[in-house]
Amino acid sequence: DAMVIQNPRYQVTQFGKPVTLSCSQTLNHNVMYWYQQKSSQAPKLLFHYYDKDFNNEADTPDNFQSRRPNTSFCFLDIRSPGLGDAAMYLCATSRSTGASQGKLFFGSGTQLSVL
Amino acid sequence: GDSVTQMEGPVTLSEEAFLTINCTYTATGYPSLFWYVQYPGEGLQLLLKATKADDKGSNKGFEATYRKETTSFHLEKGSVQVSDSAVYFCALRDNYGQNFVFGPGTRLSVLP
Repeated sequence: DAMVIQNPRYQVTQFGKPVTLSCSQTLNHNVMYWYQQKSSQAPKLLFHYYDKDFNNEADTPDNFQSRRPNTSFCFLDIRSPGLGDAAMYLCATSRSTGASQGKLFFGSGTQLSVL
Repeated sequence: GDSVTQMEGPVTLSEEAFLTINCTYTATGYPSLFWYVQYPGEGLQLLLKATKADDKGSNKGFEATYRKETTSFHLEKGSVQVSDSAVYFCALRDNYGQNFVFGPGTRLSVLP
């Protein structure tokens, strides 16, 4: 009964070729996040959606975009991947109110390789 | 801005040893504090949390106490098991927003 699902688990793309990573959730949480995690480093927040409101981190490159067509789905688009974008991409959700408030629920991540 | 500092790893222990992983934070206001664990090949999972000073979070034998005076949230376990081998992340959430800030993680290896 996976609650935050990321597809695919592994993604290989070519330098400069656009790629999309997907995330879906069955928790009905109103906040969804995308984190980038490089080897042996902390997850770094790229952006998050609070309901339909998009919140971009100041240092997130323009190369990274996101879409949230509905509550359940969120996509990460990398328009022109560079070698430095190879990383694990983690999707997470949280609820802004209620008993689960403040807890992050993570998917298993998508490991992106750029050739 | 807000930040979290953790002791550097990797930490290698024998089974049944005592574990401490230090975590300190810098934040404005009164953040909530968390420990997340990441097992190999998986996403992060919440291990425990504390939302105000002197709160103790506990789960699966792990404990951490929110110490405002020392801005710390050290993780402890009295007797570790091989299955505790993972990367442990200390994190905070600013009560003014939805953003979480993570420490760099500490890799724990427990040997039988």
